[in-house]
Amino acid sequence: RKEVEQDPGPFNVPEGATVAFNCTYSNSASQSFFWYRQDCRKEPKLLMSVYSSGNEDGRFTAQLNRASQYISLLIRDSKLSDSATYLCVVNSWGGNTPLVFGKGTRLSVIA
Amino acid sequence: DGGITQSPKYLFRKEGQNVTLSCEQNLNHDAMYWYRQDPGQGLRLIYYSQIVNDFQKGDIAEGYSVSREKKESFPLTVTSAQKNPTAFYLCASRTGENEQFFGPGTRLTVL
Repeated sequence: RKEVEQDPGPFNVPEGATVAFNCTYSNSASQSFFWYRQDCRKEPKLLMSVYSSGNEDGRFTAQLNRASQYISLLIRDSKLSDSATYLCVVNSWGGNTPLVFGKGTRLSVIA
Repeated sequence: DGGITQSPKYLFRKEGQNVTLSCEQNLNHDAMYWYRQDPGQGLRLIYYSQIVNDFQKGDIAEGYSVSREKKESFPLTVTSAQKNPTAFYLCASRTGENEQFFGPGTRLTVL
C-alpha cells in the first residue's frame, strides 16, 4: 500500500460546482496533514493545514478521520481560478523527516 | 522578504557536464529538501538535510550530490552519472510540524 494515495483525476467541473477530493494514508502514527495546491509549471503552495476537528477557510473545508486514515478537501462554489493540482501531504514520521506527498488530483473548472 | 530562492530559473546543459543548482533560504528553517518533478508526475525526493553538516539520500539520489555547510544553503549538483536529468527541480525548507515552503524551481534541460 502506498503511503499517501489520491485519485489522480482529472476532475472536470462547471463553475459554481462543489467538488470533493479524498486521500488515504498508511501510517496511523502520522502527526500532521496538509493540502497543497500546485499550478502548472509552478511550485506547490500551502492551501491549508488539516486539523483533527476539521477546519474551514472560505470556500475550502478540510477534514481528517484518524480512525479511517482518511483526509478530505471540499471546494464549494468552484471558480475558474481553482483549476490546479491538489496535493495531499502527510508528515508520516514526525519532526523534520520528509513529508510524504500524494501524486495529486488535477482539477479543471470549466466556464 | 523571507523565502526561498533558487537559481537559475532555466538551465541548459550538455551531456556529460556536471551542473550545480542553487537553493538559499532566509526563513531560519532547520531542514531543507530537494525534489525532482517530471511532466505530469508527482514529486520525488532526491536528498534532504535535517541539520547543518548532515544530509540523507532520498528515493532517487543516484547521480546527484549535495552539501549543507550553512543553514541557509543547500546546493544540488547533478552529475554526468544521472541518466535522465531533464526535469523540474524544487527546493524546500521547513522546521518540524510546520508548513513546508518551496522555492520557485529550476528547469534543467540536457541538450
